[in-house]
Amino acid sequence: GAGVSQSPSNKVTEKGKDVELRCDPISGHTALYWYRQSLGQGLEFLIYFQGNSAPDKSGLPSDRFSAERTGGSVSTLTIQRTQQEDSAVYLCASSPGQPRYTEAFFGQGTRLTVV
Amino acid sequence: GESVGLHLPTLSVQEGDNSIINCAYSNSASDYFIWYKQESGKGPQFIIDIRSNMDKRQGQRVTVLLNKTVKHLSLQIAATQPGDSAVYFCAEGWGSWGKLQFGAGTQVVVTP
Repeated sequence: GAGVSQSPSNKVTEKGKDVELRCDPISGHTALYWYRQSLGQGLEFLIYFQGNSAPDKSGLPSDRFSAERTGGSVSTLTIQRTQQEDSAVYLCASSPGQPRYTEAFFGQGTRLTVV
Repeated sequence: GESVGLHLPTLSVQEGDNSIINCAYSNSASDYFIWYKQESGKGPQFIIDIRSNMDKRQGQRVTVLLNKTVKHLSLQIAATQPGDSAVYFCAEGWGSWGKLQFGAGTQVVVTP
């Protein structure tokens, strides 16, 4: 497909387990964002990748959270030792980077439930 | 800074009325602004954008106004319809790669 693809769409995991969330951005997009959205709340920035630059990790809430982007394309968000407060929808977005006056395109999100 | 875990303010609008959604942005260096609409269970989707060299831009039933003096952005929706019920986010962009930062969002509820 031509849009941003996230998998899985839903994930239920037990407290203490590790989870990996995947994002396939639009082909050729150099910028990639991860956001977290709890029920009824706004978008919480997690991490931003732009090309080969060092990622902006300033939004990661703890060292249990990490993300990587391989080959400038697919990104994986990993949450270690999940806690119940990690339950949320995790949204990925990508944008071309250049031309810079272009919006970011969002995936449908991964709904994570920690039980 | 980035919007973090804020409960969404709610705007209730009667069907057929005009809606105005406001957003205060943070970075005086921002030169690109976007409004997104997020329906329940979906990712945010682009509505309209504006560059800082403009103060008004119109789309289909929507108008975005930009006041750089007070760092304020607004989205006007004409003749609001039930399908306009959603969460609306503003985003500001700056820098050589146009990194985007999102505002807290506003829940719009359209009543019959």
